[in-house]
Amino acid sequence: DIQMTQSPSSLSASVGDRVTITCRASQGISNYLAWYQQKPGKVPKLLIYAASTLQSGVPSRFSGSGSGTHFTLTISSLQPEDVAAYYCQKYDSVPLTFGGGTKVEIK
Amino acid sequence: EVQLVESGGGLVQPGGSLRLSCAASGFTISSYWMHWVRQAPGKGLVWVSRINTDGSITGYADSVKGRFTTSRDNAKNTLYLQMNSLRAEDTAVYYCAREAGGWYVDHWGQGTLVTVSS
Repeated sequence: DIQMTQSPSSLSASVGDRVTITCRASQGISNYLAWYQQKPGKVPKLLIYAASTLQSGVPSRFSGSGSGTHFTLTISSLQPEDVAAYYCQKYDSVPLTFGGGTKVEIK
Repeated sequence: EVQLVESGGGLVQPGGSLRLSCAASGFTISSYWMHWVRQAPGKGLVWVSRINTDGSITGYADSVKGRFTTSRDNAKNTLYLQMNSLRAEDTAVYYCAREAGGWYVDHWGQGTLVTVSS
């Protein structure tokens, strides 16, 4: 099975900082990658699919890139409401594996 | 408005069984593939299973294969997860989720907590 590895596992940044989260697949998955945001105590929310397509209603400061085995989620200007855990998920084939998650905090 | 409401969680002894339900409203589940995802306390998301629109195709994570069964009743607009031979490591909040155009999900329920303990 393909493994999904996220890094870092946690980060602390200042409001307004550019934040980048990386997700690596152990084998190529083309662009079959989604990103989810889970705020503390809340249900996950879809941010990005097809590696770089922003879900409707998601702020434009979020962006995704990558293909094959290397993907990134970028928050161009971190806001207090972005405090959350972020997960990547591959969806090229079953099992639809999630990455281990990245917790984003405000410094 | 799309709503997914899970029920059926609770405390069960190791080796026991539990059936979760997910009642959908605001859309017709017969048009959508559906998923179950779980999250152990303080841990990350883990995909559990997926079922196609008429229930004829299912897929499972290796950790639950042979023990869990996903099914659906489109007439009742409801998704199910039958969980047998439960283990302590199955303790988690279980979410049902609706698949979007691709195999990712775009709507999640609030989740139901399953605790496996003696």
